[in-house]
Amino acid sequence: AQSVAQPEDQVNVAEGNPLTVKCTYSVSGNPYLFWYVQYPNRGLQFLLKYITGDNLVKGSYGFEAEFNKSQTSFHLKKPSALVSDSALYFCAVRSTDSWGKLQFGAGTQVVVTP
Amino acid sequence: GAGVSQSPSNKVTEKGKDVELRCDPISGHTALYWYRQSLGQGLEFLIYFQGNSAPDKSGLPSDRFSAERTGGSVSTLTIQRTQQEDSAVYLCASSLDSQGLYGYTFGSGTRLTVV
Repeated sequence: AQSVAQPEDQVNVAEGNPLTVKCTYSVSGNPYLFWYVQYPNRGLQFLLKYITGDNLVKGSYGFEAEFNKSQTSFHLKKPSALVSDSALYFCAVRSTDSWGKLQFGAGTQVVVTP
Repeated sequence: GAGVSQSPSNKVTEKGKDVELRCDPISGHTALYWYRQSLGQGLEFLIYFQGNSAPDKSGLPSDRFSAERTGGSVSTLTIQRTQQEDSAVYLCASSLDSQGLYGYTFGSGTRLTVV
């Protein structure tokens, strides 16, 4: 079984401040981890993924995430948030022991104020 | 094509009618997934195709829901006798391989409204 938890429904941050969106996971094998962003009335856009290798993953639009195996976390970060980063963010996991589907978290709404 | 294409983008249907939603994945992508996103909710897995077969259809909510994939390409999700609770955005995704090593690409979705 696999599951993802995004403990915050909404994160509010002022433009220019650091942004963190939290994600923890549970899988029976090694995880493949993903972050996606969804803008209003749009599909999901890929930000970054962790498959193997370096624990710090850099992705699109200045976002990065750190894989922490001991804490089973994969938090998304951006050093300086922009108003245009306001969107719905989803963390997803897939176990290497299973085939196919991604398990998504419930999503975190990010609101960046000017 | 360049991306995952879904049609129609919007569908309004009367309760009790059948609907078909179409997904055209990226050319060469062997794996295809259907998800459902209800208002204010996360993404709910429906079904996964590898080629033309569906190894995991555990997320289909009832026997009113079915899906098929032909030629290892286009997939159709059919909902029979639609109910108001079926109203949601139906998202399709494809990946180059079944392990998702190269990531998953999502379409823009079909917004289904049952009235």
